[in-house]
Amino acid sequence: GAVVSQHPSRVICKSGTSVKIECRSLDFQATTMFWYRQFPKQSLMLMATSNEGSKATYEQGVEKDKFLINHASLTLSTLTVTSAHPEDSSFYICSASQLAGVNTEAFFGQGTRLTVV
Amino acid sequence: AQSVTQPDIHITVSEGASLELRCNYSYGATPYLFWYVQSPGQGLQLLLKYFSGDTLVQGIKGFEAEFKRSQSSFNLRKPSVHWSDAAEYFCAVGSNDYKLSFGAGTTVTVRA
Repeated sequence: GAVVSQHPSRVICKSGTSVKIECRSLDFQATTMFWYRQFPKQSLMLMATSNEGSKATYEQGVEKDKFLINHASLTLSTLTVTSAHPEDSSFYICSASQLAGVNTEAFFGQGTRLTVV
Repeated sequence: AQSVTQPDIHITVSEGASLELRCNYSYGATPYLFWYVQSPGQGLQLLLKYFSGDTLVQGIKGFEAEFKRSQSSFNLRKPSVHWSDAAEYFCAVGSNDYKLSFGAGTTVTVRA
């Protein structure tokens, strides 16, 4: 299957700083990328959907000014957690889709463990 | 709105025994259904998916799932589990806008 690479896999940052997480589709062009957040022992919650070249669509309750998403190319989307606080500590996972048709499949990155201290 | 329910939070099974994980979905149209597996600290790996056609779907690692529209279910099965099958399993339903809604997950523990 297609490969989605997420970087970094782990990051520790100080409270008040910003952190950028990259999601790359390595062998296909991803017109749409999705960002999820997963708390310990819980399921994935969709945060936002980003389409290449346009603004991301955020799910209800997700602060768009705090979680900045950029999808500048067909192979790269970034999630920036701005002014991070300890409650932002979580596992963030991206997925990418080609949207080639109704039988499309989203491929997941390996996730980023963010710890804010 | 679409949603997924995984009734079992945790299942313990002996190595070599069969495994069945339950999944019920709620969706107004024909659903796109998925099963993913997640090892600790890792991303998700797709086990199998159902879009249309044969309601019994074969996946990787010896897993299969059966779509039953009348029961709104998509249960995952494996005839004989291996210790390496210990992980978190997520059922998901997808819509035409390609968003996935995940169940809460089922943790599978395999005992020797």
